[in-house]
Amino acid sequence: NAGVTQTPKFQVLKTGQSMTLQCAQDMNHNSMYWYRQDPGMGLRLIYYSASEGTTDKGEVPNGYNVSRLNKREFSLRLESAAPSQTSVYFCASSETSGRTDTQYFGPGTRLTVL
Amino acid sequence: GQSLEQPSEVTAVEGAIVQINCTYQTSGFYGLSWYQQHDGGAPTFLSYNALDGLEETGRFSSFLSRSDSYGYLLLQELQMKDSASYFCAVRGGSARQLTFGSGTQLTVLP
Repeated sequence: NAGVTQTPKFQVLKTGQSMTLQCAQDMNHNSMYWYRQDPGMGLRLIYYSASEGTTDKGEVPNGYNVSRLNKREFSLRLESAAPSQTSVYFCASSETSGRTDTQYFGPGTRLTVL
Repeated sequence: GQSLEQPSEVTAVEGAIVQINCTYQTSGFYGLSWYQQHDGGAPTFLSYNALDGLEETGRFSSFLSRSDSYGYLLLQELQMKDSASYFCAVRGGSARQLTFGSGTQLTVLP
């Protein structure tokens, strides 16, 4: 049971390049999320998917696109990277009920845009 | 929108008790959560409160007062490994999104 996995762990891009961050979970969760975390800051929601086939914008969606490929996989795409997108990106999945609201995070992708 | 406030830094000694406060603003409150994050690591879930009162999980407890839009995380018998950042997060709003605070850096001294 791997939980939430992300690839790659590290990435350096030049301004204008594109890339896709991959995320997969094996906990059969319906909801999945993409966050970014800048130094000394909390996590800010980029996009989320409440269930397979649906995606919604979060707090900071500009410059990103997502795909919920199936129940397990949720990818994040940067079409034209900018230095302002230098950050650590976390994928998460969650189980939410009346008694719990637990997000399980992947190990993160450390992205630098030059 | 939603917003949270928590202290940026707290320092305590090993074996002591520390309380990290969190105040929030949201429309349509569903719950307050706490996460721990060590340097270079991913956030991990600690505790969740949907109703007023205290939830206890081992050395950690979390408290919620919905009328005061306030909660706290209580860490007892502090250990060096508790040095980390602690985030409160509120689920609320029309989209029921989870919004994180900026985090409290806890340093445990020997």
